Amino acid sequence: AQSVAQPEDQVNVAEGNPLTVKCTYSVSGNPYLFWYVQYPNRGLQFLLKYITGDNLVKGSYGFEAEFNKSQTSFHLKKPSALVSDSALYFCAVRDYGSGNTGKLIFGQGTTLQVKP
Amino acid sequence: GAVVSQHPSRVICKSGTSVKIECRSLDFQATTMFWYRQFPKQSLMLMATSNEGSKATYEQGVEKDKFLINHASLTLSTLTVTSAHPEDSSFYICSARVGASHTEAFFGQGTRLTVV
Repeated sequence: AQSVAQPEDQVNVAEGNPLTVKCTYSVSGNPYLFWYVQYPNRGLQFLLKYITGDNLVKGSYGFEAEFNKSQTSFHLKKPSALVSDSALYFCAVRDYGSGNTGKLIFGQGTTLQVKP
Repeated sequence: GAVVSQHPSRVICKSGTSVKIECRSLDFQATTMFWYRQFPKQSLMLMATSNEGSKATYEQGVEKDKFLINHASLTLSTLTVTSAHPEDSSFYICSARVGASHTEAFFGQGTRLTVV
């Protein structure tokens, strides 16, 4: 079965420090991986994706993620956190069981709290 | 990125009435749209895949007669919550993709439904 796990419900970091939000996955084929951010009472905003190519993917708002095939991980990172980065972050993987619809499987979400 | 517009952003209705939520792709055509439900501080639960010109595909456990989905054009999908109950109160989010199934999905801003 395909799945995505975000092992941390919440990550706390001080402003200016680097942040990491963890994600591991399990898929039956090539992994198509995504990170989204959600602010309160809003929809999800796309941050970045890994389809193929370089393992280090750069995305919006200074975020990046590293694809690690051997560890089946796709951790989200940022060198210097901002208070405005505080939000709910979701990792997602394409569901191969859905045919060609592109349905996504989401992790349970990680709340990032950046303190000034 | 592509824009998905969802309307209304908030709605309050009485028990037993029906509520319609619209999801529009503003600058692209979407043959497939997805409808999610999200409980507070939880992940997104996929309710159904909306297919233009054909019946929606519902996830297991989702009542298709209660959550009516219509995808009549390439830019509009609607979700109608029929005979609403207070337990239907939730945050509903739609999404659509541009292009192939490995591309990222874009999300509407969500609809907060409160049934009183």
